[in-house]
Amino acid sequence: EPEVTQTPSHQVTQMGQEVILRCVPISNHLYFYWYRQILGQKVEFLVSFYNNEISEKSEIFDDQFSVERPDGSNFTLKIRSTKLEDSAMYFCASSRTRTGNTIYFGEGSWLTVV
Amino acid sequence: KNEVEQSPQNLTAQEGEFITINCSYSVGISALHWLQQHPGGGIVSLFMLSSGKKKHGRLIATINIQEKHSSLHITASHPRDSAVYICAVSMYSGGGADGLTFGKGTHLIIQP
Repeated sequence: EPEVTQTPSHQVTQMGQEVILRCVPISNHLYFYWYRQILGQKVEFLVSFYNNEISEKSEIFDDQFSVERPDGSNFTLKIRSTKLEDSAMYFCASSRTRTGNTIYFGEGSWLTVV
Repeated sequence: KNEVEQSPQNLTAQEGEFITINCSYSVGISALHWLQQHPGGGIVSLFMLSSGKKKHGRLIATINIQEKHSSLHITASHPRDSAVYICAVSMYSGGGADGLTFGKGTHLIIQP
């Protein structure tokens, strides 16, 4: 069974520090997504990425956030200057096409900002 | 903005029982996703629906577009079905995972 892998599984960082969360999507997938889930709250969409550019983003995904696919396999989410409220589980997902296909999620990266 | 409501929020049942989880939304959608979140946090996609009904093993999902309502059924429930079940809707053409709006989830516990 193919899988989306995420690293780290858990990271603790000081407020104001930069964080990079990494994801390896399934190899033949073309669409990539980041979501987050603050403890006890709903999952929220952050951004979708296709053909080396952002295709959609939510209001949450402000200038503090960026994504890139630096080497054709990794897909990263960078938070430039972390805030306490960025503490959440961040999920990466991928799908082969934009529509009609199963979305595969990673196990999540739990970010704690202190 | 779409409001996605799930009911019940929590459900405890005995092994073997037939389970129904409901999802309603406020604005027309292109597709609805049912997801399962395990206790460790990982999320698995169960179904994507734009009309009618889908079945996979003991799981059945239905959607009524006119009534803006979907149900997830589990037949012959088992303790391994214990998880949080999340409904998410897509308003983009084709029902992709862009911009999904999620419900709060239904926390299901199946007791042996």
